[in-house]
Amino acid sequence: QVQLVESEGGVVQPGTSLRLSCAASGFTFSRYEMHWVRQAPGKGLEWVAFISYDGSRKYYADSVEGRFSISRDNSKNTLYLHMNSLRAEDTALYYCAKDRSNSFSYDYWGQGTLVTVSS
Amino acid sequence: QSALTQPASVSGSPGQSITISCTGTSSDVGAYKYVSWYQHHPGKAPKLMIYEVSNRPSGVSNRFSGSKSGHTASLTISGLQAEDEADYYCNSYTTSDTWVFGGGTKLTVL
Repeated sequence: QVQLVESEGGVVQPGTSLRLSCAASGFTFSRYEMHWVRQAPGKGLEWVAFISYDGSRKYYADSVEGRFSISRDNSKNTLYLHMNSLRAEDTALYYCAKDRSNSFSYDYWGQGTLVTVSS
Repeated sequence: QSALTQPASVSGSPGQSITISCTGTSSDVGAYKYVSWYQHHPGKAPKLMIYEVSNRPSGVSNRFSGSKSGHTASLTISGLQAEDEADYYCNSYTTSDTWVFGGGTKLTVL
């Protein structure tokens, strides 16, 4: 069965960096596009970033453009989110999600990992 | 990238039907058929309920249906059940090659 498992987040100071990873199994990872979605405490879902199946296309929400970078290693079935210049407003539960091929939707989600940005 | 507009809350009694609206613009909901809906129970991963406006993934009850007219998409849940109580989010692909969620709607089953 499809499984997406995010790495542990943590508490980091403003202005610092953090890398999240998402280990995928149960499907042919290299054939599917992937996303990161986040949910700040008490708020709704926010799409963060997209990466194509081969890593050639990457798109970002305005709120993270220039600070976050999405990548993938298809040989390791792993998705990454590199987060730089972290701000208090980046505090959220971060989910990785698998794209449902050709439908621009997310059919499988991880359980999420909490990132807290605080001094 | 402004969030799509959803009502903050809706409610209904068991057995009744409810509809949640999701209003966007010509750059998102009105531009493509790529509107999807997610059910989110607190503490769990969101679940895809509808994709491409009106299609149900395998395993999703046919009590859930979706539609779209112009810039507004809708999710209808018929025969409300207690387990339907959750937060619901719409999502749309946009003309900027990004995706945008609605603000979310809390469904209460009375």
